[in-house]
Amino acid sequence: AQSVTQLDSQVPVFEEAPVELRCNYSSSVSVYLFWYVQYPNQGLQLLLKYLSGSTLVKGINGFEAEFNKSQTSFHLRKPSVHISDTAEYFCAVSDPGSARQLTFGSGTQLTVLP
Amino acid sequence: DVKVTQSSRYLVKRTGEKVFLECVQDMDHENMFWYRQDPGLGLRLIYFSYDVKMKEKGDIPEGYSVSREKKERFSLILESASTNQTSMYLCASSRTGSDGYTFGSGTRLTVV
Repeated sequence: AQSVTQLDSQVPVFEEAPVELRCNYSSSVSVYLFWYVQYPNQGLQLLLKYLSGSTLVKGINGFEAEFNKSQTSFHLRKPSVHISDTAEYFCAVSDPGSARQLTFGSGTQLTVLP
Repeated sequence: DVKVTQSSRYLVKRTGEKVFLECVQDMDHENMFWYRQDPGLGLRLIYFSYDVKMKEKGDIPEGYSVSREKKERFSLILESASTNQTSMYLCASSRTGSDGYTFGSGTRLTVV
């Protein structure tokens, strides 16, 4: 079964600074990769996904992620964060052959400071 | 856009009550999921369903059951609510693994 590791549980960063949220997954077989964002007291919203092709994927709200097969990583980046980016971010990986489809990481709380 | 609607945003129930959490999706998705979310524990899968009347246990099914009588509706049932079931409950649906999930807004359940 797949597993997903989000290396940082909390990331504080100042407004307008760049940020990287790290995600590693366990399998080297072909997978689909996702990043979700959760604002306080809301459900999860899809930020971006990697299925195939270009390893740099652009998503909503200026976020992008880079798929690195050799390092089994899918790190999320934004060049300049805003206060409104404060939220919890979840990385997820597909689980081929499993009916449950997605395995989620434990989440990273991004806090943007003024 | 796919919409996943959870019937209540906030719910307060007493210990021992039978609790129903309802989830409806409007895009004919085959797959539906129930998660609970607790601080520091991330998302934990309770049950999922890949077809009408089909259900599969997730990682933490104890104390819960589910019902899927119609394709669009997936209900989570707490047979006898306990205080350790106080949590945020999230419903999701999907068509295929490459689509990812669409989540509802969540139900924050408090059991007193």
